[in-house]
Amino acid sequence: EAQLMEFGGDLVQAGGSLRLSCVASGFSFSAYDMTWVRQAPGKGLEWVSTISNGGSRTFYADSVKGRFTVSRDNTEDTLYLHMNSLRVEDTAIYYCAKFFDTLKVADVWGAGTTVIASP
Amino acid sequence: DFQMTQSPSSLSASVGDRVTITCRASQGIGNFLAWFQQKPGQVPNLLVYAASTLRSGVPSRFSGSGSGTYFTLIISSLQPEDVATYYCQKYNSAPWTFGQGTKVEIK
Repeated sequence: EAQLMEFGGDLVQAGGSLRLSCVASGFSFSAYDMTWVRQAPGKGLEWVSTISNGGSRTFYADSVKGRFTVSRDNTEDTLYLHMNSLRVEDTAIYYCAKFFDTLKVADVWGAGTTVIASP
Repeated sequence: DFQMTQSPSSLSASVGDRVTITCRASQGIGNFLAWFQQKPGQVPNLLVYAASTLRSGVPSRFSGSGSGTYFTLIISSLQPEDVATYYCQKYNSAPWTFGQGTKVEIK
């Protein structure tokens, strides 16, 4: 069974940095594009970033472009989100998710990790 | 900016009612549209992809339709376990924009 588990969420001061990790198991991690989605408290889902299976192609929401970097280590079955210059509005639960087969839609989600950027 | 606009933002219906949620894309996206269900306190769950294909295991009372810029998710007979927020998402290309969500409650 495909599973994802995120780590690294924390309370950090605005302007600071954080690295989130997402460890995959139960599927061939290197075969799938992966994505990060976040959800601010009481708000809806917001797509953050996507990375191709080999890591050569990356995509970012305008709200995080230039501040966040997505990467992956296919030898360790781990996805990363490097977050710099954090803002109060980045406060959210961050979910990693696997894309469904050849479709660019998320079918397996982690439980999420919470990032709080304090003023 | 690409936008996905869902309506209504919330609804309250009785058990057994037919519920319709709509999603409009600001530009045509073919059938690259997915629907997610997020129950309170839970992780989002994929219900429908390719606008109308029900994911395996999803109850048949759920159905999706549409193409281009207009899409609908229908729950043919609302059940108590369907209380959730529903999101549409485009996935033809970046950005993978979500709709703002539709909260479904039982009257």
